[in-house]
Amino acid sequence: DAGITQSPRHKVTETGTPVTLRCHQTENHRYMYWYRQDPGHGLRLIHYSYGVKDTDKGEVSDGYSVSRSKTEDFLLTLESATSSQTSVYFCAISWGAGGQETQYFGPGTRLLVL
Amino acid sequence: AQSVAQPEDQVNVAEGNPLTVKCTYSVSGNPYLFWYVQYPNRGLQFLLKYITGDNLVKGSYGFEAEFNKSQTSFHLKKPSALVSDSALYFCARGLMDSSYTLDFGSGTRLLVRP
Repeated sequence: DAGITQSPRHKVTETGTPVTLRCHQTENHRYMYWYRQDPGHGLRLIHYSYGVKDTDKGEVSDGYSVSRSKTEDFLLTLESATSSQTSVYFCAISWGAGGQETQYFGPGTRLLVL
Repeated sequence: AQSVAQPEDQVNVAEGNPLTVKCTYSVSGNPYLFWYVQYPNRGLQFLLKYITGDNLVKGSYGFEAEFNKSQTSFHLKKPSALVSDSALYFCARGLMDSSYTLDFGSGTRLLVRP
């Protein structure tokens, strides 16, 4: 999985609680991304980062925040989890910006919000 | 409108037969096109991409894809399917005017029967 680890791999939580997912890379890639995967939707971008402390919103960012204090770590926080955030979350990395850059994906975190 | 369409939710093929997984994209300049494969409980694995040049792109595990500009298609193909090819396949498009996202199709499940 391209030197990317995600933790936890599985999480069950209750509505209204905060949840933080971690993505860790060993490849020193500048660009990191958080996606969610839902049936019938493919993958949708939540947030991305183009460097330490440099982040921006993606297509489905409402209810999520991110932080990147080190090159190797990109954290995704669900501020107050809702059942609609039950999903599989994937982190991805790429060497450069631009639509031609290949993104490499982590193994995913399966989140269930009760 | 979805920029990437995978018209088949599932494709069934017998082992040893050729397989095709279809992908079409909406026209917006020159696209960068990708194929990824996802095995159960795993992240997405990069198969191949088209940036420019030869319309026939060869990738991992014997897969290839043909870029057809007039039909706005990028179908994934393999001459002889294996049972181990059974997985979920995603087509994605990188945009020239967006540095930070891939637009994914909804995915096609390939089932190769022995």
